[in-house]
Amino acid sequence: EAEVAQSPRYKITEKSQAVAFWCDPISGHATLYWYRQILGQGPELLVQFQDESVVDDSQLPKDRFSAERLKGVDSTLKIQPAELGDSAMYLCATRGSHEQFFGPGTRLTVL
Amino acid sequence: AQSVTQLDSHVSVSEGTPVLLRCNYSSSYSPSLFWYVQHPNKGLQLLLKYTSAATLVKGINGFEAEFKKSETSFHLTKPSAHMSDAAEYFCVVSDRAGFQKLVFGTGTRLLVSP
Repeated sequence: EAEVAQSPRYKITEKSQAVAFWCDPISGHATLYWYRQILGQGPELLVQFQDESVVDDSQLPKDRFSAERLKGVDSTLKIQPAELGDSAMYLCATRGSHEQFFGPGTRLTVL
Repeated sequence: AQSVTQLDSHVSVSEGTPVLLRCNYSSSYSPSLFWYVQHPNKGLQLLLKYTSAATLVKGINGFEAEFKKSETSFHLTKPSAHMSDAAEYFCVVSDRAGFQKLVFGTGTRLLVSP
């Protein structure tokens, strides 16, 4: 069964450093999402792509976060500089015909 | 705007007893509603979905949910809990038909004791 792949699974960094997360979607899925899940809360949408275009980044802190999907396939989410409050699980999802499929996430800890 | 409220942050049951996880929604139009489950160190998995067809929705692993428009509720139930059901459960509403932006509740942690 096809799955959404994410790497790394865990990342520890110091504040003010740059971090990047990678997502490989299920083949053929044009819509890709990045969510942030703070401990004890539900995921919140950061950015949504349709192919290589951003269709919703209203909740993305654009002063430090950036996301790209250059060829409309895999995607990268970057944080620069990281802050203590960025510690969370970052989830990638892609949309099939009837549901969104989620990857295992990248757990970020900022020290 | 769409929103969901999960009424319990934690639910504890004994193995073999019924499970009830409560969810109320708010929507300006007919919503699409979902329940997702998240096991530790694993991705979110869809349990079931309601998309304006039958109001009683059956999902995987014996779970089901009933859409009640008059009560704006979409509670998740299972007749008999299993140890493997212990996980975090999220009630989710879609902002419009077509499964676009999902809005998650805060989650309910289900604890199952032997």
